[in-house]
Amino acid sequence: SQQGEEDPQALSIQEGENATMNCSYKTSINNLQWYRQNSGRGLVHLILIRSNEREKHSGRLRVTLDTSKKSSSLLITASRAADTASYFCATDGGGFGEGTQLTVNP
Amino acid sequence: GAVVSQHPSWVICKSGTSVKIECRSLDFQATTMFWYRQFPKQSLMLMATSNEGSKATYEQGVEKDKFLINHASLTLSTLTVTSAHPEDSSFYICSARGVSGNDYNEQFFGPGTRLTVL
Repeated sequence: SQQGEEDPQALSIQEGENATMNCSYKTSINNLQWYRQNSGRGLVHLILIRSNEREKHSGRLRVTLDTSKKSSSLLITASRAADTASYFCATDGGGFGEGTQLTVNP
Repeated sequence: GAVVSQHPSWVICKSGTSVKIECRSLDFQATTMFWYRQFPKQSLMLMATSNEGSKATYEQGVEKDKFLINHASLTLSTLTVTSAHPEDSSFYICSARGVSGNDYNEQFFGPGTRLTVL
């Protein structure tokens, strides 16, 4: 499987600040997806970026993909307390990263 | 976006019984389905990958006789936890990959099934 790895493992910021999370993977991909998960709940699909795309936006989310470095980043701008969750990247090969636990303090 | 459902949402069973979890893709044909398990405060761990009509490919350390996977149609995969024991208690999540609308090869996750074995 193509296991992704996120860093940082945990991130704590103040409301209004931006949060950046990174993900690296090991093998070639067709696409990479970011998900969030609230404690004890299911996964919520945030955004998909394909291997031929470099950047994608969705609301306050911005995702970049660098296939040469096999890495992706997720930027959440103007964070809110409700953004507190775990964020995972996943590749189309089924691999899933360890996740970043984001805490946004009001 | 496409929807993947799981049934049941949660199940409590006695040790030694078998439990079947269903994963359905509701509006697209899933050529591939993945099964994961997740322990509290941990990431998802891929258990197996199944392609419609063929045997599932299990990840290292996952017992295929313990976790039976059937992917008999393009919209349904099942995971059966046989002779469940308390250590099998976990959150089981499936995902489905296939052609959906304008997006190809996108992967959608089910809401998960919480299994508690007493």
